[in-house]
Amino acid sequence: EDKVVQSPLSLVVHEGDTVTLNCSYEVTNFRSLLWYKQEKKAPTFLFMLTSSGIEKKSGRLSSILDKKELFSILNITATQTGDSAVYLCAVGPNSGGSNYKLTFGKGTLLTVNP
Amino acid sequence: GAGVSQSPSNKVTEKGKDVELRCDPISGHTALYWYRQSLGQGLEFLIYFQGNSAPDKSGLPSDRFSAERTGGSVSTLTIQRTQQEDSAVYLCASSLAGQGEPQHFGDGTRLSIL
Repeated sequence: EDKVVQSPLSLVVHEGDTVTLNCSYEVTNFRSLLWYKQEKKAPTFLFMLTSSGIEKKSGRLSSILDKKELFSILNITATQTGDSAVYLCAVGPNSGGSNYKLTFGKGTLLTVNP
Repeated sequence: GAGVSQSPSNKVTEKGKDVELRCDPISGHTALYWYRQSLGQGLEFLIYFQGNSAPDKSGLPSDRFSAERTGGSVSTLTIQRTQQEDSAVYLCASSLAGQGEPQHFGDGTRLSIL
């Protein structure tokens, strides 16, 4: 059975801090790993990673994948209160070229205090 | 539309009643997915549509759950004879067809069974 484990489960920091969120996985026939940010409602897409060692970056957020050690990290630098959310990690199998059956971790609840 | 639209946003019903949840995907997205998010749990895959057909229904928890999609667009998820354990947020996502396209989520329907 495919499995995704995120750590820590929750984290409280002050504005300006840098945080690292972790995601480890076990999946049959891995294709990709995705990160989402969930505030009140819809998870919003952040990154999709398919290759090891290539960092993806968007503003203060960045992520990298290690396919040998089966994990990914999501870094947020200079955190702001608007970064407070649940960050979800998901993995997708390679099923006929489709990414459809994502397996999600339980998420990391990040709280950024002013 | 601009994003994935789900209705209703909230539904409260009595145990034993049937409910129907609706999802309107992003225009042009041929792939559509249903997930369930229960308190303290990660998102759980339910079913996937490519066009109007559902190649994988393996995530549906029981035969009380069914889903259909018509015209390659709107999908409905139906739960018959609801039980209290069906209480959850039901999330719909859509994506472009093709390898490795990320899924984009709607705000979900919060279902509460009394």
